[in-house]
Amino acid sequence: SQQGEEDPQALSIQEGENATMNCSYKTSINNLQWYRQNSGRGLVHLILIRSNEREKHSGRLRVTLDTSKKSSSLLITASRAADTASYFCATLNFGNEKLTFGTGTRLTIIP
Amino acid sequence: SAVISQKPSRDICQRGTSLTIQCQVDSQVTMMFWYRQQPGQSLTLIATANQGSEATYESGFVIDKFPISRPNLTFSTLTVSNMSPEDSSIYLCSCFLWDLTGSSYEQYFGPGTRLTVT
Repeated sequence: SQQGEEDPQALSIQEGENATMNCSYKTSINNLQWYRQNSGRGLVHLILIRSNEREKHSGRLRVTLDTSKKSSSLLITASRAADTASYFCATLNFGNEKLTFGTGTRLTIIP
Repeated sequence: SAVISQKPSRDICQRGTSLTIQCQVDSQVTMMFWYRQQPGQSLTLIATANQGSEATYESGFVIDKFPISRPNLTFSTLTVSNMSPEDSSIYLCSCFLWDLTGSSYEQYFGPGTRLTVT
């Protein structure tokens, strides 16, 4: 499967700062989704951005999508200790309903 | 939305044995998916479980090793057969639901089953 790449692999920031994670993928997509996973538990869906959208907001989350560069970014503003988790992007390609996950970013918020 | 439960939540198994993981969804869904997440890694799709037909396996995964059942629209099982330590992973089931417009969907995941093979 074609897996996306995320960078950085790990990110540590002070509480209150903004955290930015990037995701790159390889094929044309229908949509791109971001998920959060706390300590090896199940995934929580954060936000979905369609291929014809460029930016989307949800609370403290801001997602951008650049289909020409096949990349997306997730910005978490005013980070909190509870944001400490692994974050994954996942793409849905045209023609099937299977998500392809990126490698993930481990985010640590330092109180 | 959909709520997915999995049983067991974790297990420690001996090499050579098999474990069946159950997945229950609180809504009727067409497709269910099984993923594996090896320690420190991302998620890899094992197979798509279709109701009324055989599961569709991804490259690198075979039915003899990961038999799947899908007896109805809310339930599926994944069996990890003849286990070895390399099978130690978190196994997650998933489904998606289309939104009311039918133009996009949200994918839901179960809490995962943490399997350790000794």
